[in-house]
Amino acid sequence: EILMTQSPTTLSVSPGERAMLSCRSSQSISSNLAWYQQRPGQAPRLLIYGGSARATGIPARFSGTGSGTEFTLSISSLQSDDFAVYFCQQYSKWPLTFGGGTKVEIK
Amino acid sequence: QLQLQESGPGVVKPSETLSLTCSVSGGSISLEYWNWIRQPPGKGLEWIGHVYYSGSTNYNPSLKSRVSISRDMSKNQFSLRLTSVTAADTAVYFCARSIVSAPRLDTWGQGILVTVSS
Repeated sequence: EILMTQSPTTLSVSPGERAMLSCRSSQSISSNLAWYQQRPGQAPRLLIYGGSARATGIPARFSGTGSGTEFTLSISSLQSDDFAVYFCQQYSKWPLTFGGGTKVEIK
Repeated sequence: QLQLQESGPGVVKPSETLSLTCSVSGGSISLEYWNWIRQPPGKGLEWIGHVYYSGSTNYNPSLKSRVSISRDMSKNQFSLRLTSVTAADTAVYFCARSIVSAPRLDTWGQGILVTVSS
């Protein structure tokens, strides 16, 4: 199976600042990557698919880049709702696999 | 608006079978993939498998020997069975839809905590 590795595990950011989260796959997955946000006690929410396309209703401050094995999720000007855990997921090959997550916390 | 809702027992005894149902409203399960994903407390996400409207299934090899996912078109529901459970199967179980052409998980249920305990 394809191993997904996220870094850092925890990212401390001040409100209004920019956050950059990294996701790496153990083999090339082209652009078959999604990003999810999970707030405490809630289900994950799809943010980005196809590496860079925003899902319906997702604000423009969320952006995704990358292809192959290296991907980045950027969140510009962090708001209070954005402090959460973020997961990447590949859908290039079965089984679907997720990264371990990056927790974005208030600095 | 598509909505998914998990239901089932919150506690299952070791060695028994975990059974959950996902009820779908606001759309039909006659399209796309219908998935189960789980998340142990404080940990990451693990895809369990999916069922297609035709009844065909695909499972995570790590669980394949113990998992069965089925669908009931008349009730617009799909279900998960996980046999011979242990404490390691304690998790929040989510159901979710994914797009056949590119299976990102675009709609999720709220999740249900299942604890394996005697």
